[in-house]
Amino acid sequence: DIVMTQSPLSLPVTLGQPASISCRSSQSFVHSDGNTYLHWFQQRPGQSPRRLIHKISNRDSGVPDRFSGSGSGTDFTLKISRVEAEDIGVYYCMQATHWPWTFGQGTKVEIK
Amino acid sequence: QVQLVESGGGVVQPGRSLRLSCVVSGFTFSRYGMHWVRQAPGKGLEWVAVISSDGRDKQYAGSVKGRFTISRDNSKNTLYLQMNSLRAEDTAVYYCAKIDCGGDCPPDYWGQGTLVTVSS
Repeated sequence: DIVMTQSPLSLPVTLGQPASISCRSSQSFVHSDGNTYLHWFQQRPGQSPRRLIHKISNRDSGVPDRFSGSGSGTDFTLKISRVEAEDIGVYYCMQATHWPWTFGQGTKVEIK
Repeated sequence: QVQLVESGGGVVQPGRSLRLSCVVSGFTFSRYGMHWVRQAPGKGLEWVAVISSDGRDKQYAGSVKGRFTISRDNSKNTLYLQMNSLRAEDTAVYYCAKIDCGGDCPPDYWGQGTLVTVSS
């Protein structure tokens, strides 16, 4: 199984400041169709998860442009340009190329 | 309006069985693969299983393989998860989700989750 490792696991942030979460995989996972199915999910307190970014860098519909994803190979990053109060929650990366799909441990973003 | 409504959770003894259901509305259920994802109390997300749109292809996480069975009834817009030989470590909120990202990567949808507690 592909292991997804996120850092940090806890990220205290100041509102209005940037934030960055790293996700590293135990191996590369480029699909035979040429895509790398690396997605980012947000889970706000008490809510179900929702996808923010798909295939490394594509924002899902309705996701604010302060969220961006980047990376390649085994190193990926989610960035929030200016953290807002509604961004508080846990963020997960997930690889969806090879079975079984695997999530990172999650990064809890909280107000400093 | 898209809705995914899970049911069937509850308290069950170790070694017993439980069947979860997820009734879907608001999108063409029969066109999409469907997943179960779980979350143990205070823990992260764990992908559990997937079933293809026509029900023929299934994949499972190693932790549930041989004990859980995913199925669907497209005539009833319903996804199922049959859970046998339950263990304490299966205690979690179970979400049904439409999270495939093929083609143009359509929106993801999640249910609100149903809690399964395995305890004697």
